[in-house]
Amino acid sequence: LAKTTQPISMDSYEGQEVNITCSHNNIATNDYITWYQQFPSQGPRFIIQGYKTKVTNEVASLFIPADRKSSTLSLPRVSLSDTAVYYCLVVPGGSQGNLIFGKGTKLSVKP
Amino acid sequence: IAGITQAPTSQILAAGRRMTLRCTQDMRHNAMYWYRQDLGLGLRLIHYSNTAGTTGKGEVPDGYSVSRANTDDFPLTLASAVPSQTSVYFCASSDLNSPLHFGNGTRLTVT
Repeated sequence: LAKTTQPISMDSYEGQEVNITCSHNNIATNDYITWYQQFPSQGPRFIIQGYKTKVTNEVASLFIPADRKSSTLSLPRVSLSDTAVYYCLVVPGGSQGNLIFGKGTKLSVKP
Repeated sequence: IAGITQAPTSQILAAGRRMTLRCTQDMRHNAMYWYRQDLGLGLRLIHYSNTAGTTGKGEVPDGYSVSRANTDDFPLTLASAVPSQTSVYFCASSDLNSPLHFGNGTRLTVT
């Protein structure tokens, strides 16, 4: 199982683009990368997932380099409501079960 | 609304007592999970189940047991609660190669 490492915290201001990088050096060939957002007193919520290159949806982009040993979640023009903890999770493709989260990145967006 | 229901929402429990946290999903997902979340420690996997009738141990299984008699339900039992089991407990479910869906959590205090 690929272990993930993220910065513990990040600060930003409203309107800025925020990039949170996750390191997963021992990612396996079939693994894919997912990102979750968690607000206080709520369960984590899925944001985006990808296997390689770039994925974009209505809330974020995910950049994965060719070696796949890291991934970067990009949040365009953050607002105060984006203040949350963000987790990356590496998931073995074609299997479920022993899914281990890292400690996440606490993003604080200031006015 | 489809999703995961956890009960109770919160509970104060005397040490030594037995307690079962309930989790029900209506999405017919194969896999279900129990995580605990403590300040500064992120989400830690307690037990998981890939399909009805099977269970597996996660990172921190000691002191907890689970069962998966059917697809929808995945109860977590503390046979004899201890103060170190004070935490917020999240249940989640997923299908193969699809994101995790989390419940809103159970806040448990063991005194």
